[in-house]
Amino acid sequence: EAGVAQSPRYKIIEKRQSVAFWCNPISGHATLYWYQQILGQGPKLLIQFQNNGVVDDSQLPKDRFSAERLKGVDSTLKIQPAKLEDSAVYLCASSLGHELQETQYFGPGTRLLVL
Amino acid sequence: QKEVEQNSGPLSVPEGAIASLNCTYSDRGSQSFFWYRQYSGKSPELIMSIYSNGDKEDGRFTAQLNKASQYVSLLIRDSQPSDSATYLCAVYSSASKIIFGSGTRLSIRP
Repeated sequence: EAGVAQSPRYKIIEKRQSVAFWCNPISGHATLYWYQQILGQGPKLLIQFQNNGVVDDSQLPKDRFSAERLKGVDSTLKIQPAKLEDSAVYLCASSLGHELQETQYFGPGTRLLVL
Repeated sequence: QKEVEQNSGPLSVPEGAIASLNCTYSDRGSQSFFWYRQYSGKSPELIMSIYSNGDKEDGRFTAQLNKASQYVSLLIRDSQPSDSATYLCAVYSSASKIIFGSGTRLSIRP
C-alpha cells in the first residue's frame, strides 16, 4: 500500500514570497490533516478535512495560509506571503475516518526555509 | 500551563535497560492517547494508542494511562540503539482536537 505522498520535499523562499505544498493521501482515506512542525516542537494541527469539507481550521493563520481539498483526494496548502516564522516542516497525514481511534499516517513532510 | 507536557530530555538510557517516558495533559475530558516515534529528519510514526486506564502492552512497549492523575507514560523494555528518537505524546482533547507535546529525546547508549 502506497503511503502519503508530499511534494516538494524541500523549499527555500524569501520572505513575502508565496509557496504551495501538495499532498496525496493513502487511497481511500477520508480524513486529511496538515500540520506545522517547528524545530524542537511537536506537530501543530493547521487544518483537518473530512472528504472535501473542513472539520477544523481553528489554528490556521487565515490571513496568509489557505488550503483546499478538491474532490476529496489531493490537497494543497498555500502560504502567501511567507514570513520568517513560517520556517518549519509541513506534514500531511491521513486516516481512514475521523473517529478518535483512527490511526494517522504521516507523509515525509516538506521542509520550508524562509529567508 | 501547556495542554500536553513532556520533558524535552535528552533522556539517556543504557542498552538493555527500561526507558520510561512521561506525559501529562491538562484537559480532564481527553479521551484518546497516542505515542509516536520520530527519528531525526523523519515523520512521526504511531507506536501505541491507549483509551482506558491501566496498562497496554505491545512487544517491548507498554503504555500506561491514569486519567485521575492526567498522566500517560510509555515504557520501552530491553532498550536498543534503534530506539533512539524523539517520542511524541498526543492527546485527543474533549473538543475532539489532537494536541501533540513537544516530545522527549531518547538516547540509548551502547
